[in-house]
Amino acid sequence: AQRVTQPEKLLSVFKGAPVELKCNYSYSGSPELFWYVQYSRQRLQLLLRHISRESIKGFTADLNKGETSFHLKKPFAQEEDSAMYYCALWVTDKLIFGTGTRLQVFP
Amino acid sequence: DAEITQSPRHKITETGRQVTLACHQTWNHNNMFWYRQDLGHGLRLIHYSYGVQDTNKGEVSDGYSVSRSNTEDLPLTLESAASSQTSVYFCASSEGANTEAFFGQGTRLTVV
Repeated sequence: AQRVTQPEKLLSVFKGAPVELKCNYSYSGSPELFWYVQYSRQRLQLLLRHISRESIKGFTADLNKGETSFHLKKPFAQEEDSAMYYCALWVTDKLIFGTGTRLQVFP
Repeated sequence: DAEITQSPRHKITETGRQVTLACHQTWNHNNMFWYRQDLGHGLRLIHYSYGVQDTNKGEVSDGYSVSRSNTEDLPLTLESAASSQTSVYFCASSEGANTEAFFGQGTRLTVV
């Protein structure tokens, strides 16, 4: 079955520390993967998608088909990065999400 | 500017009542989705639509229905509200598959 797994519910780091939010997927087709972010009391918004290979707000994510992973990374976390992060996968014409990881960045 | 809006933002209703949550988008997107967001479960897909007169069940569709009479709107109806349906509901739209989805502000529904 198609599935997105985010094993960590909460990730706490200090400002300036590296961050890695894990995402694994299960899908037999060619995956289209995204990371969405939800800041406090705001709507979800796109952070990045794998095909663009962009770096947004210092975050990057590399698709590893061998490990079926799409981990989100940032070398130096900032306090304003504190938010809920969701990994998402397009399955045919529907978008499914993982359970999310809350990132807390302490000063 | 194009946008997607949900109403109401907050709703309290009683068990057994029928409730309808509105979602309106001006992106002219064909795809529209309804999700519920719960702690520990993330975002779960309730229903989705690829266009006018098209509706499909998602992962957690029991107790919910949608209708798509035009491109802009996908109202979500809870036929007989239950306490288990207390949640935050998000509507989203996208131009097509494998594209960015745009989300509404969410509706916080409490069933008492």
